[in-house]
Amino acid sequence: DTGVSQDPRHKITKRGQNVTFRCDPISEHNRLYWYRQTLGQGPEFLTYFQNEAQLEKSRLLSDRFSAERPKGSFSTLEIQRTEQGDSAMYLCASSSGLVPEQFFGPGTRLTVL
Amino acid sequence: AQSVTQLGSHVSVSEGALVLLRCNYSSSVPPYLFWYVQYPNQGLQLLLKYTTGATLVKGINGFEAEFKKSETSFHLTKPSAHMSDAAEYFCAVSPYNQGGKLIFGQGTELSVKP
Repeated sequence: DTGVSQDPRHKITKRGQNVTFRCDPISEHNRLYWYRQTLGQGPEFLTYFQNEAQLEKSRLLSDRFSAERPKGSFSTLEIQRTEQGDSAMYLCASSSGLVPEQFFGPGTRLTVL
Repeated sequence: AQSVTQLGSHVSVSEGALVLLRCNYSSSVPPYLFWYVQYPNQGLQLLLKYTTGATLVKGINGFEAEFKKSETSFHLTKPSAHMSDAAEYFCAVSPYNQGGKLIFGQGTELSVKP
């Protein structure tokens, strides 16, 4: 299966620690998106890349959050000095750009203690 | 700013009954419209999408939705519910010329009673 993959699937960390998540999109997709989903809510847009360029960041993405897509393939999302409010499911999606539909990965569930 | 409203955070139907999940969006320019389904602890799976053309779109698992521009609605229906349809359903819009990002509604949890 060559769908979107995310690693790790679950992450438990202590407040103040740094965490990094990885997303591998569908190989021919040039757009990659990150979303955050809290319990009982719909996903909220965080940021997106077209190839290696980060073209938009949501106001939700505070200074503690950084995302990269260095070679236009996989992407990483890092959260520094985690807070309990960062506990959520982090979803990655990719698209070809030619077709507007996005394909989602299984998500990384972050729990900050 | 664009927004999506899903009426009813929980909907319960009997197996075999009609499923109707409501979605309204705010936009002066018709966006692309989507319905996604999410099973527990999983990512989102696309059910169907509207881009252009026919306003009644058919998706997977017997679902369909109708785009009504005058009502700014994109309600999801299925004639006969199955137990396996129990899940969370999200309506989403992709605003015109904004890089394809999705704006989601808050979701509707569908329960199916035997």
